[in-house]
Amino acid sequence: AQKVTQAQTEISVVEKEDVTLDCVYETRDTTYYLFWYKQPPSGELVFLIRRNSFDEQNEISGRYSWNFQKSTSSFNFTITASQVVDSAVYFCALSDTDTGGFKTIFGAGTRLFVKA
Amino acid sequence: DGGITQSPKYLFRKEGQNVTLSCEQNLNHDAMYWYRQDPGQGLRLIYYSHIVNDFQKGDIAEGYSVSREKKESFPLTVTSAQKNPTAFYLCASSIVGGGPFQPQHFGDGTRLSIL
Repeated sequence: AQKVTQAQTEISVVEKEDVTLDCVYETRDTTYYLFWYKQPPSGELVFLIRRNSFDEQNEISGRYSWNFQKSTSSFNFTITASQVVDSAVYFCALSDTDTGGFKTIFGAGTRLFVKA
Repeated sequence: DGGITQSPKYLFRKEGQNVTLSCEQNLNHDAMYWYRQDPGQGLRLIYYSHIVNDFQKGDIAEGYSVSREKKESFPLTVTSAQKNPTAFYLCASSIVGGGPFQPQHFGDGTRLSIL
């Protein structure tokens, strides 16, 4: 069965600090996709990134970067020089070939507080 | 602007009452989803639909029902059989034509409470 574990329930940092959000996943499929979403206080989840199981290349987008390591089944998310606007709940998610890729399993989320 | 509209934002249910949460999208997406979010937990899938007039149960479908009569609309009914309905409900949609594993677009949720 699929599973996504975000062991960090809450993280608090001071503005301009770097912060890494951990994500560990479980799946028996060789074809799967991993996602990160951001949920600001407004409640709407916002898609950040999608990565497929055949592409382990790390990705950087502005202050955001993602480290995908199949050997440890991890897909960690780093925010560099954090800002107050980064305060939100961040969800890691997994979708595999079960139900044709339409079912997504979400982790419990990590709440990030960035203090000014 | 394209997006997903959920209404109402807040909803209160009396004991033994059915309530319906609305979800409308103008993104021309084929797939739509309903999730339940409880404090400290991730999103759990209630129902999903790939195409009009077809839908499948998710992990926690008991006590809920849906319909998909139009591409744009995917209403969720919380029935009296759902004994613990207090939660935050999120509707989402995604394209299908580009293959599976597509990212989902979310509405801003409905918070349901018991009176």
